[in-house]
Amino acid sequence: EAGVTQFPSHSVIEKGQTVTLRCDPISGHDNLYWYRRVMGKEIKFLLHFVKESKQDESGMPNNRFLAERTGGTYSTLKVQPAELEDSGVYFCASSPRGTGGNTEAFFGQGTRLTVV
Amino acid sequence: GDSVTQMEGPVTLSEEAFLTINCTYTATGYPSLFWYVQYPGEGLQLLLKATKADDKGSNKGFEATYRKETTSFHLEKGSVQVSDSAVYFCALPIRFSGGYNKLIFGAGTRLAVHP
Repeated sequence: EAGVTQFPSHSVIEKGQTVTLRCDPISGHDNLYWYRRVMGKEIKFLLHFVKESKQDESGMPNNRFLAERTGGTYSTLKVQPAELEDSGVYFCASSPRGTGGNTEAFFGQGTRLTVV
Repeated sequence: GDSVTQMEGPVTLSEEAFLTINCTYTATGYPSLFWYVQYPGEGLQLLLKATKADDKGSNKGFEATYRKETTSFHLEKGSVQVSDSAVYFCALPIRFSGGYNKLIFGAGTRLAVHP
């Protein structure tokens, strides 16, 4: 079974440009999460989808970030325009629907974004 | 609010040394607790978990005991190997109605084991 796939694995862009990150969750997983780790600090929650619906986007830093999950399958996270402080590692995770606090979320390898 | 505090790294050890990575938490009630690991070039993987007080999670020689009296979940291994070199994250799942949870992570501790 394929795991959570993220691409690109690395992206270097200039300040002011646009970048789109993609996440393919495990097939059949309704829950999809985005997290971010900035500058070696803790990993922080960004948002959560159930299928194509945003359930919780309380962690999104500002309106330069836009997440979508078309058809409840893969998800994209677009940063426009990118700022220096957006640099970090962006993780995607997925889990089956209807599972509670004890259930594992499966993570991708992350996308390392560097804004210069 | 809920939070996780994890000892800062990096931790550098010789092979076969004893490892402890401290983790304490603040939470309402008695949540589950997780340790995730990120090996170089890979994603986060669940290493072990404990779902209630006094539970001990274990995997790959690592252990952690959920201690509610000290609100701690320290990670230990009796004899580390070079292959254990990775970043370790303590995490607390916050459960929401609708059957999902989001994770609150500690800052991560980088472990480097040398021969």
